[in-house]
Amino acid sequence: GAVVSQHPSWVICKSGTSVKIECRSLDFQATTMFWYRQFPKQSLMLMATSNEGSKATYEQGVEKDKFLINHASLTLSTLTVTSAHPEDSSFYICSAPRGPNSYEQYFGPGTRLTVT
Amino acid sequence: TQLLEQSPQFLSIQEGENLTVYCNSSSVFSSLQWYRQEPGEGPVLLVTVVTGGEVKKLKRLTFQFGDARKDSSLHITAAQPGDTGLYLCAPPMNYGGSQGNLIFGKGTKLSVKP
Repeated sequence: GAVVSQHPSWVICKSGTSVKIECRSLDFQATTMFWYRQFPKQSLMLMATSNEGSKATYEQGVEKDKFLINHASLTLSTLTVTSAHPEDSSFYICSAPRGPNSYEQYFGPGTRLTVT
Repeated sequence: TQLLEQSPQFLSIQEGENLTVYCNSSSVFSSLQWYRQEPGEGPVLLVTVVTGGEVKKLKRLTFQFGDARKDSSLHITAAQPGDTGLYLCAPPMNYGGSQGNLIFGKGTKLSVKP
């Protein structure tokens, strides 16, 4: 069964509104989670590293004020896309390491965001 | 940023055929993971290779890590429609001292037709 869940699985919102995406680790704790974005026919691009109890670390070119990340607990990270625009439409995927010192990741099923 | 090249970018074959996809870089990696992603879903880990020259088999899939740990290949024998998907290679990338995040190649999109 799934070990990382995402909610919602898809969302449509109007331009200018904000959307929150949840990423949960099931039956294990994740002090670190990762958020990726995937545009059609492209690979995954790391957006940011979510750290429980501290600020997220953003990759170069990713606006931290636009993509708000909150690692509220050891099993939950949220990504809020603020003032969404059509160009933010994408497939957002989170992941969590399989273990404390593991590079192997459990990926969530992804959230399809469409901004109209 | 490490440069990863995966080839071919697209591959369409008939059921029963064999195929090989490649993941190449100029950088040396401590390890490398292969994932398969189906449309509308997150990637699923297939294998991790760690040692130079290592060969790992997963049913009809054979993964090899180059001796210099700069490249890797995935060979599928007697491909089946269920093998269809995007195959991604991903070495780990340390960032700010925290381990665990990955950098992904562009992937090979495989389509196996019955």
